[in-house]
Amino acid sequence: KNEVEQSPQNLTAQEGEFITINCSYSVGISALHWLQQHPGGGIVSLFMLSSGKKKHGRLIATINIQEKHSSLHITASHPRDSAVYICAVTPFVTSGSRLTFGEGTQLTVNP
Amino acid sequence: KAGVTQTPRYLIKTRGQQVTLSCSPISGHRSVSWYQQTPGQGLQFLFEYFSETQRNKGNFPGRFSGRQFSNSRSEMNVSTLELGDSALYLCASSRYGDSVNEQFFGPGTRLTVL
Repeated sequence: KNEVEQSPQNLTAQEGEFITINCSYSVGISALHWLQQHPGGGIVSLFMLSSGKKKHGRLIATINIQEKHSSLHITASHPRDSAVYICAVTPFVTSGSRLTFGEGTQLTVNP
Repeated sequence: KAGVTQTPRYLIKTRGQQVTLSCSPISGHRSVSWYQQTPGQGLQFLFEYFSETQRNKGNFPGRFSGRQFSNSRSEMNVSTLELGDSALYLCASSRYGDSVNEQFFGPGTRLTVL
């Protein structure tokens, strides 16, 4: 079993829909990261969080440390949100900034 | 402020050759991490360098090595290339390299081994 599990693996939505991507992890962590990867490979860091909730524009990320679970929400989705969203964690046992990744969620938003 | 840069962006090699990839972090960042991304294995951690010292190493064979220079630029080397080394190689930099620092990714080097 992977240390980081994401669901769903694939998600298709209509423009304007509210989207949720889930991430569960099985190890104690220092931080959890949500990343976005567009075709061509470039990865952008969306959020880094260790507790609570963060919001940036239409994106909201939450984390429940006790339940080892995080969610990424996209409100009023738009075709430009189409990308792969990746959850990654830095385990407690790790020194430094080593990341362990989930498999990613391929999001397609249709106009 | 310039982002993380990686060179070259694309590379084609044949089995048995060796390759060196370069990563220049954001100015002021001292930590550089390297990751391999393949369709089958996803994103996997290769190694991390901080202040010219390798701080963490992933589960890759000794053919994969790296180093960091005093200006924080980093290189990774893969010797005796195998077909399975075909992948997107990403580097990421962070300011202090501790677990709660945001990482900034470069555009990647796409390596194809024939």
